[in-house]
Amino acid sequence: EPEVTQTPSHQVTQMGQEVILRCVPISNHLYFYWYRQILGQKVEFLVSFYNNEISEKSEIFDDQFSVERPDGSNFTLKIRSTKLEDSAMYFCASSLTGGTGYTFGSGTRLTVV
Amino acid sequence: ELKVEQNPLFLSMQEGKNYTIYCNYSTTSDRLYWYRQDPGKSLESLFVLLSNGAVKQEGRLMASLDTKARLSTLHITAAVHDLSATYFCAVDMNRDDKIIFGKGTRLHILP
Repeated sequence: EPEVTQTPSHQVTQMGQEVILRCVPISNHLYFYWYRQILGQKVEFLVSFYNNEISEKSEIFDDQFSVERPDGSNFTLKIRSTKLEDSAMYFCASSLTGGTGYTFGSGTRLTVV
Repeated sequence: ELKVEQNPLFLSMQEGKNYTIYCNYSTTSDRLYWYRQDPGKSLESLFVLLSNGAVKQEGRLMASLDTKARLSTLHITAAVHDLSATYFCAVDMNRDDKIIFGKGTRLHILP
């Protein structure tokens, strides 16, 4: 069964450093998403991406965050200057068309120290 | 703004018992998703409910959707320890942009 692949599985970074989280969505999917989950809490929407542009973003997704689909297969989330409160599990998801079901990746656990 | 509420948030039950998790949401939607999450793991899709009255079953789990009441239920029949996990419902508001998750129900099944 096709899956969404995320790398790395765990990243530790110092506060103020830039991090890039990588995702390879399912190949024929058209919609891409990032969500995050602070330990033990709910899953929060960050951003959705379609047709090479952001279609919606949440209040969490401020100027420190950016997304890119650089080569038609990868989908990346960049955090420019990490804060302690950015520590969370970050999930990438993709869907063929909106509303037909979302496939989530295995997640990247980001720890900011 | 769409709000999704699950209850209970924590549930400890014995093997062999039946129980129901409830998911209420605040605005009109006809698409609802149930996910399972094991500790430290990803979100595994359980059910996609796409219309009013939809009912789906997989093993000991059955999910239903009542769009008029804005309510979905996840029913567990004769629980077994392997079903211990956190269960999330999520609602699709605009069909394209995002799904909004409930806080999750942490289910612990005692052997």
